[in-house]
Amino acid sequence: KQEVTQIPAALSVPEGENLVLNCSFTDSAIYNLQWFRQDPGKGLTSLLLIQSSQREQTSGRLNASLDKSSGRSTLYIAASQPGDSATYLCARRGGSNYKLTFGKGTLLTVNP
Amino acid sequence: NAGVTQTPKFQVLKTGQSMTLQCAQDMNHNSMYWYRQDPGMGLRLIYYSASEGTTDKGEVPNGYNVSRLNKREFSLRLESAAPSQTSVYFCASWTPSGGNTIYFGEGSWLTVV
Repeated sequence: KQEVTQIPAALSVPEGENLVLNCSFTDSAIYNLQWFRQDPGKGLTSLLLIQSSQREQTSGRLNASLDKSSGRSTLYIAASQPGDSATYLCARRGGSNYKLTFGKGTLLTVNP
Repeated sequence: NAGVTQTPKFQVLKTGQSMTLQCAQDMNHNSMYWYRQDPGMGLRLIYYSASEGTTDKGEVPNGYNVSRLNKREFSLRLESAAPSQTSVYFCASWTPSGGNTIYFGEGSWLTVV
């Protein structure tokens, strides 16, 4: 069974801190890995997508890496802001019919 | 460009009632999905349609049926709603080309009493 695990489940940091969110998956035969943000009561917004042939992707203060051999991805957020407070989910696409499997998310709180 | 549109956004049902959640995408995507999201459980795949004319079960299909009406539309039906189906439902669409990003609707909040 393909599983995706996110650690920690919750994280609280002071504003301005750099932080790393972790995602691990059990099957290295992935098609791509995607990071999402979800605000309370809202849908999912795609942040970064890393193809299986790539090692990392960057967008502004966000950087996501992918290590297929160890089955890990990290989302690095630089200089965190209160507006970054949200739940961050990673999802692995792979297997037959390119199914997408989600982790349970990390709830991030950035304190002013 | 509306992306993925779900209706209704909120619904309260009585146990045993039936209803259909509607989903439409305007991005010409081949694949469409229905997920449910519950506290502590993350997003779980109910059904998906890899292409027009095909549907397949996901992790938690019991109590649901789907119809891929055409390439744009993918509906989810609860034939006899149960309190365990109280959840937030998300429709999504994707295609292997065009950037590979999956797009989600805004969600449908369903309460079964």
